[in-house]
Amino acid sequence: IAGITQAPTSQILAAGRRMTLRCTQDMRHNAMYWYRQDLGLGLRLIHYSNTAGTTGKGEVPDGYSVSRANTDDFPLTLASAVPSQTSVYFCASSEAGENNEQFFGPGTRLTVL
Amino acid sequence: GQSLEQPSEVTAVEGAIVQINCTYQTSGFYGLSWYQQHDGGAPTFLSYNALDGLEETGRFSSFLSRSDSYGYLLLQELQMKDSASYFCAGYNQGGKLIFGQGTELSVKP
Repeated sequence: IAGITQAPTSQILAAGRRMTLRCTQDMRHNAMYWYRQDLGLGLRLIHYSNTAGTTGKGEVPDGYSVSRANTDDFPLTLASAVPSQTSVYFCASSEAGENNEQFFGPGTRLTVL
Repeated sequence: GQSLEQPSEVTAVEGAIVQINCTYQTSGFYGLSWYQQHDGGAPTFLSYNALDGLEETGRFSSFLSRSDSYGYLLLQELQMKDSASYFCAGYNQGGKLIFGQGTELSVKP
């Protein structure tokens, strides 16, 4: 693994179903993030984790949950998917530093019907 | 609240110079970053301005004026491969990025 991986690449999901999007990084970054990207709205932060064992809410956390059991993994769960959660989801990570660069995964395209 | 505004699209010709502006309204804000995204792929980091002034990285430069709540990304010697979406993003005191809606740059031959 080099960088950040996300799975699945894409998914079509029936409304009401539970879904977990996976994110794994091998850069030993402390901070990890989940964003959603919708057309015309840019990227919006869903949840974040500053370090393993801690999580926090971003701009649009409702309907999503996260966990951070270790440094490398940061799964995002939709407990009961709704059509408004149709979006492209990006996971990112960063290490504290002067330039605050975030490294993004390739994204998961999720469609909720 | 925090918000960043940038033009939705810009068109320029190959070899030209283009400037993408970003204005922001936020409290407790520090630092402005720029990210590039090709065809909906993973956004990639371009630059970060923690202080007022110009930061130059090759053909790309970024500027920040905190007193004016304004920044821009300057792309010189445009190439076709520069066609992409460009996002400004502000760092708040919690270390979280707030993104603008993105500017789609089209480079024409």
